[in-house]
Amino acid sequence: GAVVSQHPSWVICKSGTSVKIECRSLDFQATTMFWYRQFPKQSLMLMATSNEGSKATYEQGVEKDKFLINHASLTLSTLTVTSAHPEDSSFYICSARLPGRAGDTQYFGPGTRLTVL
Amino acid sequence: QKEVEQDPGPLSVPEGAIVSLNCTYSNSAFQYFMWYRQYSRKGPELLMYTYSSGNKEDGRFTAQVDKSSKYISLFIRDSQPSDSATYLCAMSHAGNNRKLIWGLGTSLGVNP
Repeated sequence: GAVVSQHPSWVICKSGTSVKIECRSLDFQATTMFWYRQFPKQSLMLMATSNEGSKATYEQGVEKDKFLINHASLTLSTLTVTSAHPEDSSFYICSARLPGRAGDTQYFGPGTRLTVL
Repeated sequence: QKEVEQDPGPLSVPEGAIVSLNCTYSNSAFQYFMWYRQYSRKGPELLMYTYSSGNKEDGRFTAQVDKSSKYISLFIRDSQPSDSATYLCAMSHAGNNRKLIWGLGTSLGVNP
């Protein structure tokens, strides 16, 4: 149990375009999901916390208008990178919190590798 | 000073060795302690979870938490080449939306 999927697993896009990444909890309902980015050989950097039915909470330094997060249902959150630029190239990972189990531990998706040309 | 300190390694051991991975932290409010394993180009996978102080064992893995020393450990017995990965510690407290605070991760290589 506690499986989280992400789609797509990798994407290449041109500078200036927008890219949408989906995160789904497959076998549980997640009221809270998290979006991270990770650069090579670095740890995870939390971008935002997404609560179902409400606005996402962004970490300091993360542009809300650039990284749009929607958590419209208990099993789906989306991250849209708007007007992507090469510096947005990174590994984006989502996680979902499984409430009431193991201290509300987070379970992670497999990640999406974004390359902006 | 970072809230969570973890030596990034790399750590290289022969197959069958006992591996010890550690993190130290500064925030005494942390109550939940986790170890994740991350293979290259994959998302982190939860290995062990511990609440407060104590030991927890699961197969070849043992997690220890010493809150008095603000020190947590993960031991891997009979290490296998398939254990080669980056191991990240993470911790949180009851407030702050249970946001995880991460170590840098330790890169482990187990040589056959």
